[in-house]
Amino acid sequence: DIVMTQSPDSLAVSLGERATINCKSSQSVLDSSNNKNYVAWYQQKPGQPPKLLIYWASTREFGVPDRFSGTGSATDFTLTLSSLQAEDVAVYYCQQYYSTPQTFGQGTKLEIK
Amino acid sequence: EVQLLESGGGLVQPGGSLRLSCAASGFTFSDYAMRWVRQAPGKGLEWVSGIAYTGGNTHYADSVKGRFTISRDNSKNTLYLQMNSLRAEDTALYYCAKAGCSMTSCYSNFWGQGTLVTVSS
Repeated sequence: DIVMTQSPDSLAVSLGERATINCKSSQSVLDSSNNKNYVAWYQQKPGQPPKLLIYWASTREFGVPDRFSGTGSATDFTLTLSSLQAEDVAVYYCQQYYSTPQTFGQGTKLEIK
Repeated sequence: EVQLLESGGGLVQPGGSLRLSCAASGFTFSDYAMRWVRQAPGKGLEWVSGIAYTGGNTHYADSVKGRFTISRDNSKNTLYLQMNSLRAEDTALYYCAKAGCSMTSCYSNFWGQGTLVTVSS
Protein backbone atom coordinates (compact mmCIF):
# COMPACT_ATOMS: atom_id res chain seq x y z
CA ASP A 1 0.00 0.00 0.00
CA ILE A 2 1.11 3.56 -0.65
CA VAL A 3 1.59 5.47 2.60
CA MET A 4 0.79 9.18 2.56
CA THR A 5 2.51 11.17 5.29
CA GLN A 6 1.48 14.75 5.97
CA SER A 7 3.41 17.41 7.82
CA PRO A 8 2.85 19.08 10.11
CA ASP A 9 0.07 17.40 12.08
CA SER A 10 -1.19 20.81 13.13
CA LEU A 11 -0.50 24.35 12.09
CA ALA A 12 -1.44 27.77 13.50
CA VAL A 13 -1.24 30.72 11.14
CA SER A 14 -2.26 34.36 11.50
CA LEU A 15 -5.11 35.70 9.40
CA GLY A 16 -3.83 36.87 6.05
CA GLU A 17 -0.63 34.85 6.31
CA ARG A 18 0.46 31.88 4.20
CA ALA A 19 -0.15 28.29 5.27
CA THR A 20 1.75 25.36 3.77
CA ILE A 21 0.92 21.69 4.22
CA ASN A 22 3.17 18.96 2.89
CA CYS A 23 2.36 15.43 1.82
CA LYS A 24 4.85 12.73 0.96
CA SER A 25 3.97 9.43 -0.68
CA SER A 26 5.94 6.25 -0.04
CA GLN A 27 6.19 5.66 -3.79
CA SER A 28 5.67 7.70 -6.91
CA VAL A 29 2.08 8.49 -7.85
CA LEU A 30 3.08 9.97 -11.20
CA ASP A 31 1.75 8.09 -14.21
CA SER A 32 4.36 8.61 -16.93
CA SER A 33 1.89 7.61 -19.65
CA ASN A 34 -0.22 10.71 -19.08
CA ASN A 35 2.11 12.80 -16.91
CA LYS A 36 -0.52 13.07 -14.20
CA ASN A 37 0.06 12.95 -10.47
CA TYR A 38 -2.75 11.06 -8.79
CA VAL A 39 -3.07 13.26 -5.70
CA ALA A 40 -6.06 15.12 -4.32
CA TRP A 41 -6.50 17.50 -1.41
CA TYR A 42 -9.64 17.72 0.72
CA GLN A 43 -10.86 20.13 3.36
CA GLN A 44 -13.01 18.91 6.23
CA LYS A 45 -14.71 21.29 8.62
CA PRO A 46 -16.20 20.03 11.91
CA GLY A 47 -19.43 18.10 11.44
CA GLN A 48 -19.15 18.20 7.65
CA PRO A 49 -18.07 15.72 4.99
CA PRO A 50 -14.81 16.32 3.18
CA LYS A 51 -14.78 18.77 0.29
CA LEU A 52 -12.54 18.39 -2.75
CA LEU A 53 -10.12 21.29 -3.19
CA ILE A 54 -7.43 20.09 -5.60
CA TYR A 55 -7.06 17.08 -7.92
CA TRP A 56 -4.31 15.87 -10.25
CA ALA A 57 -2.06 17.52 -7.65
CA SER A 58 -2.59 21.04 -8.98
CA THR A 59 -6.04 21.42 -10.59
CA ARG A 60 -8.35 23.52 -8.48
CA GLU A 61 -11.92 22.22 -8.20
CA PHE A 62 -14.62 24.50 -9.59
CA GLY A 63 -15.66 27.09 -7.01
CA VAL A 64 -12.58 26.73 -4.81
CA PRO A 65 -10.98 30.14 -4.07
CA ASP A 66 -7.73 30.80 -5.90
CA ARG A 67 -5.91 31.31 -2.59
CA PHE A 68 -5.74 27.49 -2.52
CA SER A 69 -3.05 25.96 -4.73
CA GLY A 70 -1.44 22.56 -5.10
CA THR A 71 2.05 21.76 -6.32
CA GLY A 72 4.42 18.84 -6.48
CA SER A 73 5.21 15.72 -8.42
CA ALA A 74 6.08 12.05 -7.99
CA THR A 75 6.37 11.72 -4.19
CA ASP A 76 6.30 15.24 -2.76
CA PHE A 77 3.26 17.47 -2.76
CA THR A 78 2.22 20.75 -1.16
CA LEU A 79 -1.06 22.51 -0.47
CA THR A 80 -0.66 26.26 -0.03
CA LEU A 81 -3.17 28.77 1.26
CA SER A 82 -1.79 32.11 0.20
CA SER A 83 -3.73 34.24 2.66
CA LEU A 84 -5.51 32.51 5.52
CA GLN A 85 -9.15 33.42 6.08
CA ALA A 86 -11.22 32.56 9.14
CA GLU A 87 -13.35 30.13 7.13
CA ASP A 88 -10.26 28.09 6.23
CA VAL A 89 -10.02 26.61 9.71
CA ALA A 90 -10.37 22.89 9.07
CA VAL A 91 -8.54 19.61 8.77
CA TYR A 92 -6.84 19.05 5.42
CA TYR A 93 -6.15 15.63 3.91
CA CYS A 94 -4.11 14.54 0.94
CA GLN A 95 -5.03 11.34 -0.88
CA GLN A 96 -3.45 9.24 -3.58
CA TYR A 97 -5.72 7.56 -6.11
CA TYR A 98 -2.93 6.03 -8.19
CA SER A 99 -3.58 2.58 -6.78
CA THR A 100 -5.96 0.83 -4.43
CA PRO A 101 -6.31 1.14 -1.53
CA GLN A 102 -6.64 4.86 -2.19
CA THR A 103 -4.87 6.00 0.94
CA PHE A 104 -5.19 9.28 2.79
CA GLY A 105 -2.69 11.21 4.81
CA GLN A 106 -3.34 11.42 8.54
CA GLY A 107 -4.65 14.98 8.25
CA THR A 108 -3.35 18.43 9.18
CA LYS A 109 -5.36 20.60 11.52
CA LEU A 110 -5.17 24.25 10.52
CA GLU A 111 -5.98 26.86 13.13
CA ILE A 112 -5.74 30.60 13.50
CA LYS A 113 -2.89 31.97 15.59
CA GLU B 1 -27.68 19.58 -7.76
CA VAL B 2 -25.69 16.49 -6.82
CA GLN B 3 -27.07 14.67 -3.79
CA LEU B 4 -25.89 11.53 -2.05
CA LEU B 5 -28.06 10.21 0.76
CA GLU B 6 -26.67 7.40 2.86
CA SER B 7 -28.84 5.16 5.01
CA GLY B 8 -28.75 1.84 6.80
CA GLY B 9 -26.39 2.62 9.64
CA GLY B 10 -27.12 1.78 13.24
CA LEU B 11 -26.07 -0.20 16.28
CA VAL B 12 -25.10 -3.81 15.66
CA GLN B 13 -23.45 -6.48 17.78
CA PRO B 14 -20.01 -7.84 16.93
CA GLY B 15 -20.34 -10.50 14.28
CA GLY B 16 -23.51 -8.96 12.92
CA SER B 17 -24.36 -7.55 9.51
CA LEU B 18 -25.61 -4.31 8.04
CA ARG B 19 -26.36 -3.11 4.54
CA LEU B 20 -25.66 0.51 3.74
CA SER B 21 -27.33 2.28 0.84
CA CYS B 22 -26.50 5.51 -0.94
CA ALA B 23 -29.21 7.07 -3.08
CA ALA B 24 -27.76 9.33 -5.75
CA SER B 25 -29.40 12.15 -7.67
CA GLY B 26 -28.50 15.21 -9.69
CA PHE B 27 -26.07 13.44 -12.02
CA THR B 28 -25.93 10.46 -14.37
CA PHE B 29 -25.11 7.82 -11.78
CA SER B 30 -24.15 5.15 -14.31
CA ASP B 31 -21.35 7.37 -15.71
CA TYR B 32 -19.26 7.55 -12.53
CA ALA B 33 -17.27 5.33 -10.24
CA MET B 34 -18.36 5.37 -6.61
CA ARG B 35 -16.72 4.55 -3.29
CA TRP B 36 -17.20 4.22 0.43
CA VAL B 37 -14.92 6.04 2.84
CA ARG B 38 -15.19 5.81 6.61
CA GLN B 39 -14.11 7.93 9.53
CA ALA B 40 -13.86 6.52 13.03
CA PRO B 41 -14.83 8.96 15.81
CA GLY B 42 -12.19 11.65 16.11
CA LYS B 43 -9.96 9.98 13.51
CA GLY B 44 -8.93 10.48 9.91
CA LEU B 45 -10.36 9.23 6.64
CA GLU B 46 -10.06 5.62 5.54
CA TRP B 47 -10.94 4.48 2.03
CA VAL B 48 -13.02 1.31 2.32
CA SER B 49 -14.12 0.21 -1.13
CA GLY B 50 -14.60 1.40 -4.69
CA ILE B 51 -16.58 0.30 -7.72
CA ALA B 52 -16.31 1.28 -11.37
CA TYR B 53 -19.22 2.81 -13.25
CA THR B 54 -20.36 -0.54 -14.69
CA GLY B 55 -20.04 -2.34 -11.39
CA GLY B 56 -17.70 -4.84 -12.97
CA ASN B 57 -14.54 -3.69 -11.22
CA THR B 58 -14.41 -3.55 -7.41
CA HIS B 59 -11.68 -2.93 -4.86
CA TYR B 60 -11.43 -3.25 -1.09
CA ALA B 61 -9.21 -2.18 1.76
CA ASP B 62 -7.41 -5.12 3.35
CA SER B 63 -9.20 -4.37 6.61
CA VAL B 64 -12.59 -5.24 5.09
CA LYS B 65 -11.71 -7.68 2.31
CA GLY B 66 -13.78 -10.84 2.55
CA ARG B 67 -16.27 -9.24 4.92
CA PHE B 68 -17.65 -6.27 2.95
CA THR B 69 -19.17 -6.27 -0.54
CA ILE B 70 -19.73 -3.18 -2.63
CA SER B 71 -22.34 -3.16 -5.38
CA ARG B 72 -24.48 -0.79 -7.36
CA ASP B 73 -27.81 -0.77 -9.13
CA ASN B 74 -27.57 1.74 -11.95
CA SER B 75 -31.29 1.37 -12.68
CA LYS B 76 -32.02 2.60 -9.15
CA ASN B 77 -29.16 5.11 -8.90
CA THR B 78 -28.08 3.42 -5.70
CA LEU B 79 -24.78 2.28 -4.22
CA TYR B 80 -24.61 -0.42 -1.57
CA LEU B 81 -22.19 -1.77 1.01
CA GLN B 82 -22.98 -5.15 2.52
CA MET B 83 -21.05 -5.47 5.77
CA ASN B 84 -20.75 -8.89 7.42
CA SER B 85 -18.80 -10.16 10.42
CA LEU B 86 -18.68 -6.68 11.86
CA ARG B 87 -16.04 -5.80 14.44
CA ALA B 88 -15.71 -3.03 16.99
CA GLU B 89 -13.05 -1.42 14.81
CA ASP B 90 -15.61 -1.00 12.01
CA THR B 91 -17.36 1.63 14.12
CA ALA B 92 -17.31 4.79 12.04
CA LEU B 93 -19.21 7.32 10.00
CA TYR B 94 -19.50 5.82 6.52
CA TYR B 95 -19.46 8.25 3.63
CA CYS B 96 -20.60 7.54 0.12
CA ALA B 97 -18.54 9.48 -2.40
CA LYS B 98 -18.85 10.14 -6.12
CA ALA B 99 -15.77 9.89 -8.28
CA GLY B 100 -14.89 12.61 -10.71
CA CYS B 101 -14.71 10.10 -13.55
CA SER B 102 -15.84 6.64 -14.57
CA MET B 103 -12.77 4.72 -13.49
CA THR B 104 -11.82 3.72 -9.98
CA SER B 105 -8.47 5.56 -10.26
CA CYS B 106 -10.07 8.92 -9.73
CA TYR B 107 -10.53 11.53 -7.04
CA SER B 108 -13.82 11.96 -5.13
CA ASN B 109 -15.56 15.18 -6.04
CA PHE B 110 -18.70 14.91 -3.92
CA TRP B 111 -19.47 13.29 -0.58
CA GLY B 112 -22.68 12.50 1.26
CA GLN B 113 -23.29 13.42 4.89
CA GLY B 114 -22.56 9.89 6.07
CA THR B 115 -24.33 7.19 8.06
CA LEU B 116 -23.06 6.09 11.47
CA VAL B 117 -22.27 2.45 12.13
CA THR B 118 -21.67 1.43 15.74
CA VAL B 119 -20.50 -2.09 16.51
CA SER B 120 -20.91 -2.86 20.18
CA SER B 121 -22.40 -5.44 22.50
